[in-house]
Amino acid sequence: QTVVTQEPSFSVTPGGTVTLTCGLSSGSVSTSYYASWHQQTPGQAPRTLIYNTDTRSSGVPGRFSGSILGNKAALTVTGAQADDEADYYCLLYMGGGSCVFGGGTKLTVL
Amino acid sequence: EVQLVESGGGLVQPGGSLRLSCATSGFTFTNFWMTWVRQAPGKGLEWVANVKEDGSEKNYGDSVKGRFTISRDDAKNSLYLQMNSLRADDTAVYYCARGRGVGVWGQGTTVTVSS
Repeated sequence: QTVVTQEPSFSVTPGGTVTLTCGLSSGSVSTSYYASWHQQTPGQAPRTLIYNTDTRSSGVPGRFSGSILGNKAALTVTGAQADDEADYYCLLYMGGGSCVFGGGTKLTVL
Repeated sequence: EVQLVESGGGLVQPGGSLRLSCATSGFTFTNFWMTWVRQAPGKGLEWVANVKEDGSEKNYGDSVKGRFTISRDDAKNSLYLQMNSLRADDTAVYYCARGRGVGVWGQGTTVTVSS
């Protein structure tokens, strides 16, 4: 069974830029996987940042952007802020109607 | 304003059943796939199931296949999850979400399976 992979943790300095990735244990992620990215802070419900690979959800700041980098989906945070510290999950459409979340990346801003 | 409000969670014994509901408003329900996602305590998000706009297609994660049933009532703008043969590892916060790719989330309802 294909596993969706994410970095377990990442750190960034305030004002810095960080790119989180979402890959497959076997194969490459393309736009056909309709990658979405979801942010979750402790005790809160997730919030969708990006869908369909690179479309920003309503109200999401422009410092968040989605793309395909090489063989992975990517979420880039440009000019990180303290309140960007959160867990980030990618979701991939695997075909046949089913979807799979990655294990999540804990982003620390320090 | 788009809203998704889950209900129906609670404490249930292993082997028992529970039905979760998700009441929606602020959008045209029949235009969207709908999804259930869960999160076990201290763990990541797990995709559970989804249902097509017209209810003609339903898909399930391997861990719930054969035990859980997703359904929708377009007249009530509501989504449901019937959970049978519950196990301790089904303990989680269950989120209702709009879209196959999940664009809008509810606040979640907690299910605890324990004797």
